[in-house]
Amino acid sequence: KAGVTQTPRYLIKTRGQQVTLSCSPISGHRSVSWYQQTPGQGLQFLFEYFSETQRNKGNFPGRFSGRQFSNSRSEMNVSTLELGDSALYLCASSLYGSATGQETQYFGPGTRLLVL
Amino acid sequence: GNSVTQMEGPVTLSEEAFLTINCTYTATGYPSLFWYVQYPGEGLQLLLKATKADDKGSNKGFEATYRKETTSFHLEKGSVQVSDSAVYFCALRKDSSASKIIFGSGTRLSIRP
Repeated sequence: KAGVTQTPRYLIKTRGQQVTLSCSPISGHRSVSWYQQTPGQGLQFLFEYFSETQRNKGNFPGRFSGRQFSNSRSEMNVSTLELGDSALYLCASSLYGSATGQETQYFGPGTRLLVL
Repeated sequence: GNSVTQMEGPVTLSEEAFLTINCTYTATGYPSLFWYVQYPGEGLQLLLKATKADDKGSNKGFEATYRKETTSFHLEKGSVQVSDSAVYFCALRKDSSASKIIFGSGTRLSIRP
C-alpha cells in the first residue's frame, strides 16, 4: 500500500506570494491533518479535514487555509507569504481521525517551503 | 494545558551503547502517547505507541512504558546502531476527540561508529 505523498517536495517563494501544497493520503484513509515544523516553534498542528470538512483547527492566522476533495486528497494554501512561513509542512492521514481518537497517523515526507 | 517535555539534545553515543531519552507529559484524562522518529530529510515515522497506563510500546529494539504515576514515557534501547541517528519526538494525543498531536521539541541522536 502506498504511503502518504506530498507535492511538491521543495518550494521557493517570495514574500507576498501565495502557495498551494498537496497531500494524497493512504488509500482508504479519510482524515488528513496538516502540521508546520520550524526550528523555533517545533511541530504545530494546523488543521484536520475529514469528508471534505474542516474538523479541527490550530492557532494559525486566516492566511492558512485548506480543503479536501471527494477522493480525500487535501490541499493547503498560504496567502500573502511571510518570511516566518518558511518551514517543513507535514501532512498525516488516518482512517477516521478524531472520530475515534485512537488511530495512528501516518506522515508524509513533507514539503519544504522557503520564503525569500 | 497539554504539553510534552523531552530531554534537550543533541545526544551523542557510541555504537552499542544503551540509550534513554526522557519524556514527561502534562495532560488531563488519559492521553495516548507516541514516539516518532525523523530521519534526515524525511517526514515523521511512528516508532511506537501506548494508549493506556502500564502499556509498553516496542519496535525495532526500542521500548517505552506509559507511566501514569510519573507522567512519563521514556524511550530506551539496549544497543544503538549508527542507523538510529535521527531526531526523536515524544508526543501525546488527548483521547477525547482531537486528532491533533502535541509534540515535544525533539531530541537529536547521533551514534558514533
